[in-house]
This record gives sequence, C-alpha cells and structure tokens, in this order.
Amino acid sequence: AQTVTQSQPEMSVQEAETVTLSCTYDTSENNYYLFWYKQPPSRQMILVIRQEAYKQQNATENRFSVNFQKAAKSFSLKISDSQLGDTAMYFCAFIADNYGQNFVFGPGTRLSVLP
Amino acid sequence: GAGVSQTPSNKVTEKGKYVELRCDPISGHTALYWYRQSLGQGPEFLIYFQGTGAADDSGLPNDRFFAVRPEGSVSTLKIQRTERGDSAVYLCASSSGTVHGELFFGEGSRLTVL
Repeated sequence: AQTVTQSQPEMSVQEAETVTLSCTYDTSENNYYLFWYKQPPSRQMILVIRQEAYKQQNATENRFSVNFQKAAKSFSLKISDSQLGDTAMYFCAFIADNYGQNFVFGPGTRLSVLP
Repeated sequence: GAGVSQTPSNKVTEKGKYVELRCDPISGHTALYWYRQSLGQGPEFLIYFQGTGAADDSGLPNDRFFAVRPEGSVSTLKIQRTERGDSAVYLCASSSGTVHGELFFGEGSRLTVL
C-alpha cells in the first residue's frame, strides 16, 4: 500500500519569511509522481507543484520549490517570501504508475502566514 | 464551464435518508474523480471515471455508495441509508486524462448527517 505522511499538523511563518513543509511517503514502486496541493478556506484544492520521480532536478514554480530525495522518500515544499495569501492547508499527494489514477493524499499541514 | 462545479455546497440530512451529490466537470475533461474529506484529514479516494465507465471504484466504502456518469460529463454520487459517519466534504475533481496530470477540484459538497 502507498502511504503519505505529513508530520507537521500546523505551522506558522512571518510574512516575507521562508518556510518548509515536510512530506514522506512509502512505496515499493520506482515510477511515480508527487504533488503539493493547496486548500484555502474556500475548500477548492489548487495544484502548487508537481515532480516526476524519474527527474533528478527539483521542480520550481515561482516562490515554491521542492526538495525531492528519492532514496529517503522525502518530498518537502519550500515557500519563499511567504505572503498572506499562502495561508491554507497544504496536502502532499502521490500516485504510482502502476496504480491507475488513485492519488493518495497525506493528512495535510495547516500553514498560517502572520503579518 | 470555467471550473468544476459541485452542488449542493451544503447538505443536511437525517440518518437513513438518501442523498445525491452532483459534479459538473470542466468541459472536455474525460477523467472525473470523487474524494471524501473528513474533518482534519486529507482527501480519501472513492472512485475514478474515464469517460462513462468507472475505471476504479476500489475506494467506495460499501454498497451504500454508488456513482454514475451516464454521458461522460456530469457525475452523481449517490449515498443510500446515510449514516452519521458519512458526514464529510465530498470533493470532485476532473482532469484532461493525461497520465498523472493536474487534478482540478471543485469546492466540495459538505454533507452533514444528523
């Protein structure tokens, strides 16, 4: 079974500072994809960033970047220059090539950006 | 439509009643997913459609839950004989069907079973 763990239920960061959210996963698969999704209070989940396991280069999207450590099965999200609009729940998600379209989500980290 | 639309946004029902939740995906998206999100938890997979057929329904918790997508667009999640434990936010997502592409989520339907 594939599992995703997020060990930080809640985090806070000052506006303009940098914060890192942790994610680890467990799988025996070699080909898979990892995602970070953001869920603001409106409830609508939005894709933040995506990483293919076969790519060694860490994905980057503007202020968002990941640190993907395949051997350690770790996939952390770094948010630089945090903004008030970054306040949300953040979910790490995983899908393996051989598991159809069953995306597995972690329990989430609630991030609060403080003014 | 411009985004994934889910109705109703909130539904309160009594234990034992029948409930239908509707999802209208992004136009042209062939893949449609239902997830259930309990308070303080991440989304839990229920069922995935590719076109009209349920390609994977392994996440449906029991036979009280059923979903259809008769014309390959709008989907309805049906819950019979609701129980208090069914209370959750039911999320629908669609994608273009590209392998492991981005999921586009609706705002969810919050179901409360009294």
